[in-house]
Amino acid sequence: DQQVKQNSPSLSVQEGRISILNCDYTNSMFDYFLWYKKYPAEGPTFLISISSIKDKNEDGRFTVFLNKSAKHLSLHIVPSQPGDSAVYFCAAHPSQGGSEKLVFGKGTKLTVNP
Amino acid sequence: NAGVTQTPKFQVLKTGQSMTLQCAQDMNHEYMSWYRQDPGMGLRLIHYSVGAGITDQGEVPNGYNVSRSTTEDFPLRLLSAAPSQTSVYFCASSWDSQETQYFGPGTRLLVL
Repeated sequence: DQQVKQNSPSLSVQEGRISILNCDYTNSMFDYFLWYKKYPAEGPTFLISISSIKDKNEDGRFTVFLNKSAKHLSLHIVPSQPGDSAVYFCAAHPSQGGSEKLVFGKGTKLTVNP
Repeated sequence: NAGVTQTPKFQVLKTGQSMTLQCAQDMNHEYMSWYRQDPGMGLRLIHYSVGAGITDQGEVPNGYNVSRSTTEDFPLRLLSAAPSQTSVYFCASSWDSQETQYFGPGTRLLVL
């Protein structure tokens, strides 16, 4: 049973446009959410996170939105750049725990076309 | 700082063989973990450690052993490799389990 779902395996956008990556979760105990970015043949790298006490967190071109009632979060990348082409993983864990309780989605492969 | 290093980068094993995947970090992190990533799947936690001498099981621990004799090293042992263990393995570390993790570059393992 998938607790963290990324229903779009892939997404393709034009350079300069907005990329929106979506993530849904089923476990109501999750209250800390992270996005990781992964290039081929490399390990994932942390991108941005959000706590359930917020509904938005912004870091440069990256913004994560959290809708707790819908159990949905999204990552917005504006403007998208070719270097953003990677696999993006959504992950979540409950406050009663940390990385040992971290659950990852299957990932969404983003391709930004020049 | 080298960060999190993993060796080997790639390994081919025959069913039943044993091997150890090495992981080391030079950031003095207490928390270390091992994940596997399979096609179409997210990362799944195999084992983790909150400090030297302390290890615990994650979501998919069967077929794997770990030990943590030093802060720096966290090797993952496959005692008798099976084709189902064909995967990409990532080691990660952080100051503690509440902090975000730094991942190594991965070890690609093929079990024939």
